[in-house]
Amino acid sequence: EAGVAQSPRYKIIEKRQSVAFWCNPISGHATLYWYQQILGQGPKLLIQFQNNGVVDDSQLPKDRFSAERLKGVDSTLKIQPAKLEDSAVYLCASSWPGQARYEQYFGPGTRLTVT
Amino acid sequence: SQKIEQNSEALNIQEGKTATLTCNYTNYSPAYLQWYRQDPGRGPVFLLLIRENEKEKRKERLKVTFDTTLKQSLFHITASQPADSATYLCALTSSNTGKLIFGQGTTLQVKP
Repeated sequence: EAGVAQSPRYKIIEKRQSVAFWCNPISGHATLYWYQQILGQGPKLLIQFQNNGVVDDSQLPKDRFSAERLKGVDSTLKIQPAKLEDSAVYLCASSWPGQARYEQYFGPGTRLTVT
Repeated sequence: SQKIEQNSEALNIQEGKTATLTCNYTNYSPAYLQWYRQDPGRGPVFLLLIRENEKEKRKERLKVTFDTTLKQSLFHITASQPADSATYLCALTSSNTGKLIFGQGTTLQVKP
């Protein structure tokens, strides 16, 4: 079974520039999550999709971050404009149903450096 | 506010010994607790899940306990090996949406 795919793996941009990350979840997984992991910290949920719809985006900085999941499969997370504090690893995860008793499968992440 | 704490200092142990990692939480009533392993440059990998009404869960050399009175989970690796060296994350959820709240992780180093 193929895992969660993410691209790019690394990205370096200057502050105020924009950047986009792509995620392809495990086939058949209805729920997709985007997390932000700052060095030395655990992942923090940014947004959760159930199929096409948003379930939770309470911690997404909506003035600069946006995400979409077209057709309930792939997803894109965008930052515009980036700030220095956005430097982090952005992890995508998926699970079959988005319920607490199911584990999540994570992709390798995209390491973003904002200079 | 909700708070999840794991040992911030790295845990160094000798091969063959049992590693014990701690996860404490406050202002939270989780229904489920999960443990993940994370290697450098990789995403977390699921290890074990335990429900609030379960006291203990085992999987091969891994054991997790969950004490909702103490608000604490302990994660044990018996007969530890250098390959067990990684960062271990605990994550809690009380919602039915699957939203996980992670601790900061504890780095385990097993020396041969």
